[in-house]
Amino acid sequence: ETGVTQTPRHLVMGMTNKKSLKCEQHLGHNAMYWYKQSAKKPLELMFVYSLEERVENNSVPSRFSPECPNSSHLFLHLHTLQPEDSALYLCASSTGTGVYNEQFFGPGTRLTVL
Amino acid sequence: AQKVTQAQTEISVVEKEDVTLDCVYETRDTTYYLFWYKQPPSGELVFLIRRNSFDEQNEISGRYSWNFQKSTSSFNFTITASQVVDSAVYFCALSEDSGYALNFGKGTSLLVTP
Repeated sequence: ETGVTQTPRHLVMGMTNKKSLKCEQHLGHNAMYWYKQSAKKPLELMFVYSLEERVENNSVPSRFSPECPNSSHLFLHLHTLQPEDSALYLCASSTGTGVYNEQFFGPGTRLTVL
Repeated sequence: AQKVTQAQTEISVVEKEDVTLDCVYETRDTTYYLFWYKQPPSGELVFLIRRNSFDEQNEISGRYSWNFQKSTSSFNFTITASQVVDSAVYFCALSEDSGYALNFGKGTSLLVTP
């Protein structure tokens, strides 16, 4: 595997379910990110991890819970979501969190909340 | 407030036409970076170019070229002799020294028809 991978690619869940999104990067990067992409809206940064420490939590509801067990893996745990949480969730990684670092993105998980 | 504005929501051209995608940004930082990403239907954002605020030289890469003008806070992207494979959503993004996020525009959907 190369680059940034995400599983599952598609997920349908009910509002009472608990599920997790997984992201893995094979680039040796130290920073990882979760973004939300909704229709007709810009990508929204949700969380940033640098060297496994959360450095940014962008006012995200507590029904989204990130976990970064090591610099290669990032999870997004989901529980009691709302239909408006349906979106494409993108994971990204970069060498560091400096302003010059380009971020490399995974293919995303298309989430539908019923 | 939106930091990156891509005024063109959708553009449709016929193959071999040239097309320019506009990007206007807003920042108070003196050090910042601008990026362009391509998002094909598969969903994965693909990095195209990075430009720092101190380098206003235009850049050309094959059929792609970028025009960075600080005086008008613009970073426009031109595809010469467009091809069907160029059909995608293109995002302009800004990275500021004062934050972790890539601030994305809403994207321009480009459709190239045969």
